[in-house]
Amino acid sequence: SAVISQKPSRDICQRGTSLTIQCQVDSQVTMMFWYRQQPGQSLTLIATANQGSEATYESGFVIDKFPISRPNLTFSTLTVSNMSPEDSSIYLCSVIGITVVGGYTFGSGTRLTVV
Amino acid sequence: ELKVEQNPLFLSMQEGKNYTIYCNYSTTSDRLYWYRQDPGKSLESLFVLLSNGAVKQEGRLMASLDTKARLSTLHITAAVHDLSATYFCAVDMYANTGNQFYFGTGTSLTVIP
Repeated sequence: SAVISQKPSRDICQRGTSLTIQCQVDSQVTMMFWYRQQPGQSLTLIATANQGSEATYESGFVIDKFPISRPNLTFSTLTVSNMSPEDSSIYLCSVIGITVVGGYTFGSGTRLTVV
Repeated sequence: ELKVEQNPLFLSMQEGKNYTIYCNYSTTSDRLYWYRQDPGKSLESLFVLLSNGAVKQEGRLMASLDTKARLSTLHITAAVHDLSATYFCAVDMYANTGNQFYFGTGTSLTVIP
C-alpha cells in the first residue's frame, strides 16, 4: 500500500487564523481525498483533489473555507481558513491504495484544536 | 445518496465473549471495507471485501459480505482487551465525479478484562 505522510500531526490554533495541512504520498496517485472527523463522529468527505484541476467539494464544504492545492501527483494541501472552535476535528488525507485488491489508505491525521 | 449504518454504535463486552457488528448500506455496491481506529489515531485497514459471499479472517476478527442483503458483518471471537477501538465499515461506490467512499457511523468497542 501507498505510504502517506501528513503534517502537522496536531496543532492548537487561535480563532480567526488559518492552518495548512500537508499530505505527501510516496507514489503517484490520481485522486487524493480529504476527510474531516469531528469528535466522536464518523468521517465526512470534504473534497476530492485531482492533479491539474480544481478540487471537487462535497455538499456543505466550500473552497473559500477549505482551499485545496494539488500541485503534483504526490502532494496536496488542505487549508482550514478563518477558523472557529467548530473546526476542531481530526483531518485526514487518503488515497486509493496501490495494491492488488485496492482499498483506501489514510494518512496519520491532523488533530486540530481551535481556541 | 448512499447511507451506511452500523449497529451497535457502542459495545461493551467482557473478555472471552463473542459478538457481531453489523453494517447495512442503502444501495448497490460490491466493495466493502472494515477499518479500525484507536483513540487519537488514524484508520488502519482490516479487511477488503470485494464480492458477494466474501469472508476474510484475521486473528479473532472475521468479516463477511452479503451484497444481496447489502449487509456486512464483523464477528469478534473470544474478545481480548487489545481489540478495544472504534470500528468503521465503508462502502465504495462509483459516482459521476468518480469513486466515492462512504463511512458507516462507527462502533465503539470496549472489551472489559
